[in-house]
Amino acid sequence: DIQLTQSPSFLSASVGDRVTITCRASQGISSYLAWYQQKPGKAPKLLIYAASTLQSGVPSRFSGSGSGTEFTLTISSLQPEDFATYYCQQLNSYLYTFGQGTKLEIK
Amino acid sequence: EVQLVQSGAEVKKPGESLKISCKGSGYSFTSYWIGWVRQMPGKGLEWMGIIYPGDSDTRYSPSFQGQVTISADKSISTAYLQWSSLKASDTAMYYCVRQGGYSYGYSFDYWGQGTLVTVSS
Repeated sequence: DIQLTQSPSFLSASVGDRVTITCRASQGISSYLAWYQQKPGKAPKLLIYAASTLQSGVPSRFSGSGSGTEFTLTISSLQPEDFATYYCQQLNSYLYTFGQGTKLEIK
Repeated sequence: EVQLVQSGAEVKKPGESLKISCKGSGYSFTSYWIGWVRQMPGKGLEWMGIIYPGDSDTRYSPSFQGQVTISADKSISTAYLQWSSLKASDTAMYYCVRQGGYSYGYSFDYWGQGTLVTVSS
């Protein structure tokens, strides 16, 4: 099975900060990686697919990069509505594993 | 507009059976895989399994194989997740998801609103 490890698990930041979340895969997954945002009490929402393609309607302050085993999600300038939990997911094999999540909190 | 609408919250006792549903609309239901994702209270996301309603091809995560059954009725554009004997550890929120095609990197592009299942004696 492919394991995904996100870091950090918790992140405290301020409005306007630039933040980066990393997702490492236990084996190569090409660019078959997606990022999701989940707010409390809500279903997750797709932010980025194919490692770096922004889903329609997602603000351009979000960006993704990487291929193979290392990936990053960057938020260029945090807005109040960005405080949430973020998950990566691999879609290279049909065991579509998620990372453990990164909770982004307001400092 | 693509929508996945799930059935309402359930409260069950251990040992009871349950079938929850997910109705798709706004797209060709038989042309996209539909999956299920579990989220236990305060925990992360776990992929359970997926079905292709066009031919009912179904795949399960090893963690859930034999524990649940995924099915679909394409005549009413509805997918199902069922348990034959619930345990307290099945208490969780369950989301249905649509898997986008190759051009979306097979990501889960649409999510249902979730069905909360509570199993308690």
